[in-house]
Amino acid sequence: EVQLVESGGGLVQPGGSLRLSCAASGFTFSNYWMHWVRQESGKGLVWVSRIKSDGSSETYADAVKGRFTISRDNAKNTLYLQMNSLRVDDTAVYYCVRRARYYAIDVWGQGTTVTVSS
Amino acid sequence: QSALTQPASVSGSPGQSITISCTGSSSDGGGFNYVSWYQQHPGKAPKFMIYDVNNRPSGVSNRFSTSKSGNTASLTISGLQAEDEADYYCSLYTSNNTLVFGTGTKVTVL
Repeated sequence: EVQLVESGGGLVQPGGSLRLSCAASGFTFSNYWMHWVRQESGKGLVWVSRIKSDGSSETYADAVKGRFTISRDNAKNTLYLQMNSLRVDDTAVYYCVRRARYYAIDVWGQGTTVTVSS
Repeated sequence: QSALTQPASVSGSPGQSITISCTGSSSDGGGFNYVSWYQQHPGKAPKFMIYDVNNRPSGVSNRFSTSKSGNTASLTISGLQAEDEADYYCSLYTSNNTLVFGTGTKVTVL
């Protein structure tokens, strides 16, 4: 079964850091581009970042550029999101997602909740 | 890139058909190629429903269909059922390898 399982969310103070992980299984992880998408409570989906299948290229949304870093370890089938200088408006559920070859997001993790609050 | 525009809510009675539109900016027109749709029930992760024109992953009902004209894509749900009540999002995969999502539409089954 194709599966993405996020972990690492939690409560952190403004200015703090968190690292999210996403464990992939059931498919050849190294063949796929991966993204992070977030969703504030009661709000819509927002794209955060993406990384190429071999890890050689990354892109970020303006709202997180310079603060977040996406990375992957293909040997461990794991995607990461290092989040620094966290702000209250980074509070959201963060989803790890897989991009299919036909340019749609075909697999979603269950999400991990990040709460930034003092 | 700005979010794609969707109606905030659409409703219909069981058995009816409803259509949700998804409109991009005029600058998306030439690149409004890779549009997909997602269903999200409360408290759950989004579910991939359909991409481009009527390409459905295995297990998704053919009651869900799509069309596209210029920079507007549409999702039609035919034979509306109670289980279809959810939020629906369109998304556009851009030429920069980023994603732009729609504003989301709440579908209510009356």
